Amino acid sequence: QVQLQESGPGLVKPSETLSLTCTVSGASISSDYWSWIRQSAGRGLEWIGRIYPSGSASFNPSLKSRVTMSVDTSKNQFSLKMSSVTAADTAVYYCAREGLGRFYDWGQGTLVTVSS
Amino acid sequence: ESVLTQSPGTLSLSAGETATLFCRAGQSVSSSNLAWYQQKPGQAPRLLIYAASTRATGIPDRFSGSGSGPDFTLTIGRLEPEDSAVYYCQYYGGSPPLTFGGGTKVEI
Repeated sequence: QVQLQESGPGLVKPSETLSLTCTVSGASISSDYWSWIRQSAGRGLEWIGRIYPSGSASFNPSLKSRVTMSVDTSKNQFSLKMSSVTAADTAVYYCAREGLGRFYDWGQGTLVTVSS
Repeated sequence: ESVLTQSPGTLSLSAGETATLFCRAGQSVSSSNLAWYQQKPGQAPRLLIYAASTRATGIPDRFSGSGSGPDFTLTIGRLEPEDSAVYYCQYYGGSPPLTFGGGTKVEI
């Protein structure tokens, strides 16, 4: 059974960088694709981007300029960084295992609030 | 831009009835790339259907998907109280490459 767990600060100040990590168990981070998705009342479910086993990544064009992703195979983790955050980035952030564009397994989600 | 429009916004039905949910894509889409998810309060979405009509592992056969671009349907038969949730369609392809619909809330 694949399990994912998000971790990171729940509160980020405006203009700072949001950093989250997803720890995967039950599957190797070196296989499959791994995505970040967020959900807010205003934007609904929004795909942020994905990272491939090779470490390369692709992003939602609307967020591409502010987002980076990385993978740590030794810890079976992947990470998200989003810079220059504003209140509009307040959301529940999910990590997910992706295959052929669909999301088979999700983390429980973590609420990130952008506020001073 | 890939836009998925779901209707109705809310569906109120009784246990034992059948729910029919719709998802319309704003452009030509492949049914191979259309999925449905169920989300209950406080939980992450759960994959129900992929490739428009294939049930994900462990999903009861009360859930069925159909359709082809641009119109897709999720049908939930013999509704149970536990089916109360928000249901989302999702498309893979186009720009942005992954898009979710706005959701349909099903109340039992």
